[in-house]
Amino acid sequence: KNEVEQSPQNLTAQEGEFITINCSYSVGISALHWLQQHPGGGIVSLFMLSSGKKKHGRLIATINIQEKHSSLHITASHPRDSAVYICAVAYSGAGSYQLTFGKGTKLSVIP
Amino acid sequence: KAGVTQTPRYLIKTRGQQVTLSCSPISGHRSVSWYQQTPGQGLQFLFEYFSETQRNKGNFPGRFSGRQFSNSRSEMNVSTLELGDSALYLCASSLRTRYSGIDYEQYFGPGTRLTVT
Repeated sequence: KNEVEQSPQNLTAQEGEFITINCSYSVGISALHWLQQHPGGGIVSLFMLSSGKKKHGRLIATINIQEKHSSLHITASHPRDSAVYICAVAYSGAGSYQLTFGKGTKLSVIP
Repeated sequence: KAGVTQTPRYLIKTRGQQVTLSCSPISGHRSVSWYQQTPGQGLQFLFEYFSETQRNKGNFPGRFSGRQFSNSRSEMNVSTLELGDSALYLCASSLRTRYSGIDYEQYFGPGTRLTVT
């Protein structure tokens, strides 16, 4: 069973700060997803990556397969970035598929 | 393209009753997965369907079941509801195929918030 650990659990930042959220997992995966969940429940997929690094606007996601670790960075944070960020790892094999989720990191960005 | 839709959005049921939730995936998506989110356990995988077949199921009791129709729409059913079943139930669709070992981005619906009293 894959264990997914996220840190920190809670994060408060001043507007404009550089933010890093970390995710570690225990066994090999086919891909790792970073998700964003705003109050009210809707979940948006930010990134899906299986190697290297991806960038979208002010968001950057990296993954190190050997170390079983991924980071989500937010540059020049803004209050609208306030949300829960969830790391999920995908195991895909023998035609089946399952996502295992971290507990999430609650980010609050203060103006 | 329309996103993933879920109905109903909110539901209040009594212990012992059963409930059926519906999910319509993005057009062209044949893989539909269901998840339960609670404050205590976070997000947990329930099951995945592809082409009307359940391909994987999470660690949930048999009271939780689902099905997928030929148009890829999916339903999940919870029988004999318990207080602990109160949760946000999310479905997600993707372009995953039957044999692909490659992962695809998941598109989530807005969820159905179920309250069991």
